[in-house]
Amino acid sequence: EDKVVQSPLSLVVHEGDTVTLNCSYEVTNFRSLLWYKQEKKAPTFLFMLTSSGIEKKSGRLSSILDKKELFSILNITATQTGDSAVYLCAVSGTYKYIFGTGTRLKVLA
Amino acid sequence: GAGVSQSPSNKVTEKGKDVELRCDPISGHTALYWYRQSLGQGLEFLIYFQGNSAPDKSGLPSDRFSAERTGGSVSTLTIQRTQQEDSAVYLCASSSYMSSGNTIYFGEGSWLTVV
Repeated sequence: EDKVVQSPLSLVVHEGDTVTLNCSYEVTNFRSLLWYKQEKKAPTFLFMLTSSGIEKKSGRLSSILDKKELFSILNITATQTGDSAVYLCAVSGTYKYIFGTGTRLKVLA
Repeated sequence: GAGVSQSPSNKVTEKGKDVELRCDPISGHTALYWYRQSLGQGLEFLIYFQGNSAPDKSGLPSDRFSAERTGGSVSTLTIQRTQQEDSAVYLCASSSYMSSGNTIYFGEGSWLTVV
């Protein structure tokens, strides 16, 4: 059965800290891995990863995929209170996206 | 449209009533997904459409749930004889044709409360 596991489930840090969020997966016919940020209702897209070892970067956020070890990490440097959210990892198999339960990040001022 | 549009944004209904949730995907997107998210939980896959066909309905929780898509565009998720455990946010997402794995874009969701 396809599955996506995220860790930690929740995390509390102070502004300026660096955090690393983890996503491991077991999916048949892997196509891509996506990271989303969910603050209220709609998850907003962050990154799509398809190839191992190539870092995607956007401002203070970066992510990388390891297709051999079947995991991805999302890094956030110099965290701000606006980074507080649930971060979701999703993996595409044949056609549907399987989501992990998310990591709830809270950044304290 | 510019983004995925869902309606209603909030719905409170009495147990046993039927509800319809609507999704209008991004123009040109052939793939459409329905997910359900209960409070504090992850996203649970319900159904996937490619065009008007639904190759995978395996996530629909029971025969009270059904969905259709017409004209390769708008989709409706119908829940019959609602139960309290149906209370959740119902999220719709769309993407262009799945080749190497495309980004899916979400609507704002429909928050359903069954009382």
